[in-house]
Order: sequence, then C-alpha cells, then structure tokens
Amino acid sequence: DTGVSQNPRHKITKRGQNVTFRCDPISEHNRLYWYRQTLGQGPEFLTYFQNEAQLEKSRLLSDRFSAERPKGSFSTLEIQRTEQGDSAMYLCASSETGNQPQHFGDGTRLSIL
Amino acid sequence: RKEVEQDPGPFNVPEGATVAFNCTYSNSASQSFFWYRQDCRKEPKLLMSVYSSGNEDGRFTAQLNRASQYISLLIRDSKLSDSATYLCVGLAGGTSYGKLTFGQGTILTVHP
Repeated sequence: DTGVSQNPRHKITKRGQNVTFRCDPISEHNRLYWYRQTLGQGPEFLTYFQNEAQLEKSRLLSDRFSAERPKGSFSTLEIQRTEQGDSAMYLCASSETGNQPQHFGDGTRLSIL
Repeated sequence: RKEVEQDPGPFNVPEGATVAFNCTYSNSASQSFFWYRQDCRKEPKLLMSVYSSGNEDGRFTAQLNRASQYISLLIRDSKLSDSATYLCVGLAGGTSYGKLTFGQGTILTVHP
C-alpha cells in the first residue's frame, strides 16, 4: 500500500497561467476527493468522484476549475487563468466507500506570484 | 455560521497534562464524526472516529453528544509528540454522502 500520491508537491506560477495537479489514490479505493486548505483554516471540500463519475462540486469550484478521473483511477485537477486567491494547499483523499475514513495525500502547495 | 466550529486555541500545556478540545456542529444530518490530526505543513491524518457511546484509544477519548450537537476529544498524559493541530470533522449523509466538513482546527503545543 503506497498511500495516496500527489504530484507535484509544490507549484509556483505566475498569475494567469494554467496549472494541473495529479492524484493517485490508494488502489481499489472507489472514492476520490479534492480539498483546498489555506493557512489557519481546515480543509474545504471541492469535489469528489465515485469511480469515474464526478458526483458533487462545491460552490468554491469556479468555472476555472475542472477535475477529471477518466478511468476511475488517478485524478487531475486543473486551474485555468490562476489568480492570487488560488494560492493554497490542494489535498486529495481516497476511501473505499462513502462511510470509510479518508486517507490524504501529502498535498500540492500552489503559490501564485 | 460554519458547519463545524472549534476553538482555534492555541492550547499550551506541560507534558503530562490532560487537555480537552470541544467542537460543535450545526448540520444535524451529519452522519459520522472524526478527529484528524495535522502536523505543520503536513496532510491531515485520521486520529479516531467518534461515536455516541464514546471511543477510547490509549490516551485519547472521543465523545459525541447528538442532542447537544457537541463533540469532544480528551488527551491524557500529554506528550511532546502530541503537539499538532486537531481537526474536528463531520461526514455528510444524504445526497452529499462521503463529503467531509472540517472545523478550523485547534492548535496544541505540549512543552517540557
């Protein structure tokens, strides 16, 4: 069990650029979640997948954000036309089912210059 | 009002002390609750689940009171390694089944 893996660990980019993050969940975990965490706050839910189906998106997820899980395994989160307010830690988690504990990856820390 | 509210602290306690954290939630539809621990610049890690009957794991005891919509975590005989942020977390039911809602987190520092 290699745990939840996220890449890259850190991303620094200029405002207006597009960025894409990848998450590899624990194998055979059907559920995959994306959260965002800013300094001094708890993680906030963004979206989640049951296999390849995206079941819910938070209002925090503007039109500039898109997430996919094309084969029900890894997932990508893309942010287009980044803004300074997008600077945060982006966390991915997975679980076997909806009521099982979620296991988090190390996160991708995004800094917008 | 946030769905899950915690006192952010910080709590500064000496080694060996007993410390208690409280958390309240507003969504009565929340199905389950957890305490997660997060070290500085690290990912949250599950500490323990919280049940109405109470749940004890070594030095840690968690309790859920659904009538008062109140959750607690008690840490006995604090260790230096307990220093971290403790996150109170609710698991949504219904159409948002599986979604976690986190509190702001309570910062604990255990000093020698």
